[in-house]
Amino acid sequence: ETGVTQTPRHLVMGMTNKKSLKCEQHLGHNAMYWYKQSAKKPLELMFVYNFKEQTENNSVPSRFSPECPNSSHLFLHLHTLQPEDSALYLCASSHGLAAISTDTQYFGPGTRLTVL
Amino acid sequence: EDKVVQSPLSLVVHEGDTVTLNCSYEVTNFRSLLWYKQEKKAPTFLFMLTSSGIEKKSGRLSSILDKKELFSILNITATQTGDSAVYLCAVEAGAGANNLFFGTGTRLTVIP
Repeated sequence: ETGVTQTPRHLVMGMTNKKSLKCEQHLGHNAMYWYKQSAKKPLELMFVYNFKEQTENNSVPSRFSPECPNSSHLFLHLHTLQPEDSALYLCASSHGLAAISTDTQYFGPGTRLTVL
Repeated sequence: EDKVVQSPLSLVVHEGDTVTLNCSYEVTNFRSLLWYKQEKKAPTFLFMLTSSGIEKKSGRLSSILDKKELFSILNITATQTGDSAVYLCAVEAGAGANNLFFGTGTRLTVIP
């Protein structure tokens, strides 16, 4: 399988549940990203990992916990979420050798999360 | 607070029309402005602009940046139904090494 894959594609969870989103890239990239896209809101960059090190955390609440065990895998662990966290969560990867603006990002299909 | 504003929010045109999408910004430590096209889920990169007055062109799409007036425009000429998408503007700015601020997007619909 090639490109950037995300699982699950859809997730419905209660506010007390704990779940994880998974992203995997088969492109040999070193940087991976989590984005949140809410309805009627701008796309938000959440976390950036470069060579497995977190280089950016854009004031994301602690109920979102990223994990990057290696350059090919990125997780987003979710716990005690709120209904307003319902959104499309996009993962992306890039070579990681340049600044974010010059480093072409390849996006996964996203996970549609609904928090009840 | 860093801010990126796009207008219009939505636009409906007929095939063959020319459209201009706007993006204005108020950020600290501006580094670059990027345009993306989002058709179904994931955005695809269109242009990156760093210098004022230099037009970037790719086929029927072109874009230019004005760093004095703090805005950029994305032009699409001879629109086709395949141009229907949300066009996102993002600005790289701020103190962090990887800070991207997105606008809400302009939803373009091209009807035959």
